[in-house]
Amino acid sequence: GNSVTQMEGPVTLSEEAFLTINCTYTATGYPSLFWYVQYPGEGLQLLLKATKADDKGSNKGFEATYRKETTSFHLEKGSVQVSDSAVYFCALSSSGSARQLTFGSGTQLTVLP
Amino acid sequence: EAGVVQSPRYKIIEKKQPVAFWCNPISGHNTLYWYLQNLGQGPELLIRYENEEAVDDSQLPKDRFSAERLKGVDSTLKIQPAELGDSAVYLCASSLRRGIAGELFFGEGSRLTVL
Repeated sequence: GNSVTQMEGPVTLSEEAFLTINCTYTATGYPSLFWYVQYPGEGLQLLLKATKADDKGSNKGFEATYRKETTSFHLEKGSVQVSDSAVYFCALSSSGSARQLTFGSGTQLTVLP
Repeated sequence: EAGVVQSPRYKIIEKKQPVAFWCNPISGHNTLYWYLQNLGQGPELLIRYENEEAVDDSQLPKDRFSAERLKGVDSTLKIQPAELGDSAVYLCASSLRRGIAGELFFGEGSRLTVL
């Protein structure tokens, strides 16, 4: 079956530090990959996505590249801000069931001023 | 535009009691989902509706959980009777059938504590 593995948190960084949150997946076929973010007190929201190998998703300074050879979709940001403090979830949807997501366990990020 | 609305935000009950959660999706969204999120875990799908039809309920524990989406708009998730292990956050999400594949809009969730 499908599964997503994220690096365990929590992650604590200073403002302007470089961020990487690792995500690897197991899936049949050619999944689409997503990063969702949950800010404190809010619902999950889509941050970025990539639908095929070598695609790069980007939004709000965050980037992730779909690497089929390593089955990975690591999230990166060059300079984090305090406002980036949130829980980040990696997710996938298999081909043929694009509206059913499998989520990773989430990574808590805290950015200190 | 209003987002996905869920109620109640918090609910504390004793085991064996019933509980119900309500969700109003974004207007015009055909697809509605209920997810279960345990502490420190990612959301897990319980049931998915396309309009009023439950098209995927394979993960719904049907002995105690039930859901309905009458008229294809808002939805109710019920647990009867609740068990200690049901303590979790119940998330509702919606999406457009012709929207961006994988883009779900989530509510803030209903946190259930079973004592």
